[in-house]
Amino acid sequence: SAVISQKPSRDICQRGTSLTIQCQVDSQVTMMFWYRQQPGQSLTLIATANQGSEATYESGFVIDKFPISRPNLTFSTLTVSNMSPEDSSIYLCSVESDRGYYNEQFFGPGTRLTVL
Amino acid sequence: GQQVMQIPQYQHVQEGEDFTTYCNSSTTLSNIQWYKQRPGGHPVFLIQLVKSGEVKKQKRLTFQFGEAKKNSSLHITATQTTDVGTYFCAGLPWGAGNMLTFGGGTRLMVKP
Repeated sequence: SAVISQKPSRDICQRGTSLTIQCQVDSQVTMMFWYRQQPGQSLTLIATANQGSEATYESGFVIDKFPISRPNLTFSTLTVSNMSPEDSSIYLCSVESDRGYYNEQFFGPGTRLTVL
Repeated sequence: GQQVMQIPQYQHVQEGEDFTTYCNSSTTLSNIQWYKQRPGGHPVFLIQLVKSGEVKKQKRLTFQFGEAKKNSSLHITATQTTDVGTYFCAGLPWGAGNMLTFGGGTRLMVKP
């Protein structure tokens, strides 16, 4: 299994500012995923990040609002830009297992964001 | 687009009672995965089902994948307080690459 850390674990931000969330994995992985989980809700995929290429965004999410970097095989960042209270959520990164037959995902501990 | 529905949304049970959550996909799935998220925690992988009609057991947990590979269930026998959390199914549709679609989750509360 992969061990994933995220920074910050939580933050309270003002409307209109931006926050960059970091995700570090203890092994090299091809694909990293960024999810949003609003309070009491399910997980919604924001984008998939491959090293060396632009992230692929899901419907409803755009690069200008959620720019993603993937500089190497163990690290990624997600920026939440020009924040509004509607962006208050938990943001989780995950990676896919490299066990071949199994492709379960391992999640980081999440970043709890509150926008005032 | 792909939708994965999960019922019930919430379930309160007395410790020792059984619990079942159901998952239905609008399209045929390549596989289905189940995750558990404890309060304040992050989702943790429980199991993956791939074959039509597959049944897998993990101690008190029984997972089933429907014959048409569009539905699944998780059954917990004799619940314990440690079973508290939200259970998510996540489907991988055919041709979707690696992108899982998560169900809405079932939040299980167990009264001691």
